[in-house]
Amino acid sequence: SQTIHQWPATLVQPVGSPLSLECTVEGTSNPNLYWYRQAAGRGLQLLFYSVGIGQISSEVPQNLSASRPQDRQFILSSKKLLLSDSGFYLCAWSATSGPGEQFFGPGTRLTVL
Amino acid sequence: GEDVEQSLFLSVREGDSSVINCTYTDSSSTYLYWYKQEPGAGLQLLTYIFSNMDMKQDQRLTVLLNKKDKHLSLRIADTQTGDSAIYFCAEKVGANNLFFGTGTRLTVIP
Repeated sequence: SQTIHQWPATLVQPVGSPLSLECTVEGTSNPNLYWYRQAAGRGLQLLFYSVGIGQISSEVPQNLSASRPQDRQFILSSKKLLLSDSGFYLCAWSATSGPGEQFFGPGTRLTVL
Repeated sequence: GEDVEQSLFLSVREGDSSVINCTYTDSSSTYLYWYKQEPGAGLQLLTYIFSNMDMKQDQRLTVLLNKKDKHLSLRIADTQTGDSAIYFCAEKVGANNLFFGTGTRLTVIP
């Protein structure tokens, strides 16, 4: 069966520090991968998605970047965090065919102070 | 662009039925989904419906789709305290991406 992991689970970082959040998927090949941000009490904002290694699409201009160095690894990064980067970051995967349902990881709670 | 709307809050008594509503704007949606999010956790897929269907039932969950009105609903029968969570509807437009509603916070009163 497929599983999706995210780490760390929680992170507190000072403004101006770098960021690296990691997401890995097991039990499937060539998944589509997604990064979302969820602000407190709000819906999901799609940040990036990837349909293959090295292929990244950005949905909104921002302080963050994403990379996919391996088929089942998706990394969210920033060189200098802003206060507004605080939120709950969710990684998800979907199969390349079928109904397109996305399966979510447990999330990373990021607080920028 | 795609716009998916939901009421923000719903309260029901334990044992009653809950109905969570969602409206969307893109008539080319191929699939529509319902997700559940418990506090501090990721989203859990509950069910989905293909756009050429108008109803799908899965145990206590019933999904109704009115494609003409672009209205989707999720009915939870015999609502339990463990059903308290935020529920998101989402639509699939195009090949890969889903567009999510703002979420409905369901509170079940014992």
